Amino acid sequence: KQEVTQIPAALSVPEGENLVLNCSFTDSAIYNLQWFRQDPGKGLTSLLLIQSSQREQTSGRLNASLDKSSGRSTLYIAASQPGDSATYLCAVQSYNQGGKLIFGQGTELSVKP
Amino acid sequence: DGGITQSPKYLFRKEGQNVTLSCEQNLNHDAMYWYRQDPGQGLRLIYYSQIVNDFQKGDIAEGYSVSREKKESFPLTVTSAQKNPTAFYLCASSIDFSSDKSYEQYFGPGTRLTVT
Repeated sequence: KQEVTQIPAALSVPEGENLVLNCSFTDSAIYNLQWFRQDPGKGLTSLLLIQSSQREQTSGRLNASLDKSSGRSTLYIAASQPGDSATYLCAVQSYNQGGKLIFGQGTELSVKP
Repeated sequence: DGGITQSPKYLFRKEGQNVTLSCEQNLNHDAMYWYRQDPGQGLRLIYYSQIVNDFQKGDIAEGYSVSREKKESFPLTVTSAQKNPTAFYLCASSIDFSSDKSYEQYFGPGTRLTVT
């Protein structure tokens, strides 16, 4: 059964720092991996989707990589800002679980001014 | 603007009462989903619907019911049989759902349900 893990559960950094969030998954049979942002009490906003055949995707200051064989993805945030403070969730669309999305528990990021 | 709306944003109910959460989308998506989110946990799938008049149980369907009479709407009823109904409920949609191809899901703003 696919399991998705995000470490650390919480991260606090000073403004301007580059940072990396980690996501690992146990079953490499995936169609894609999505990174989402969730602000407190709000829904999920899709940040990046990486297809299983791709290695990375970029959007602005965000870069997500995917290494399917090792079951890992990273979300790189450049020059962090206080507005980046939120919870970041990754999810994989799992082939062996009927194509459903399987979510990690999220990393709560706090960027201090 | 295209998107997914959920109402109400906050809902309070007494134990033993059924309650229905609304989800509407104008993205012309065939597939819709309901998830539950508890503090410190990832999202768990309650029900999903691939097409009108069809829906499937997710991982935690017990104590919940849904209907899909219109493409745009996928309401969720939390029944009195649900043992721990207090949670944040998220609705999502995608162009379609398939067990053998990639798709992207889009989420609504959520409804926070508190049962006392």
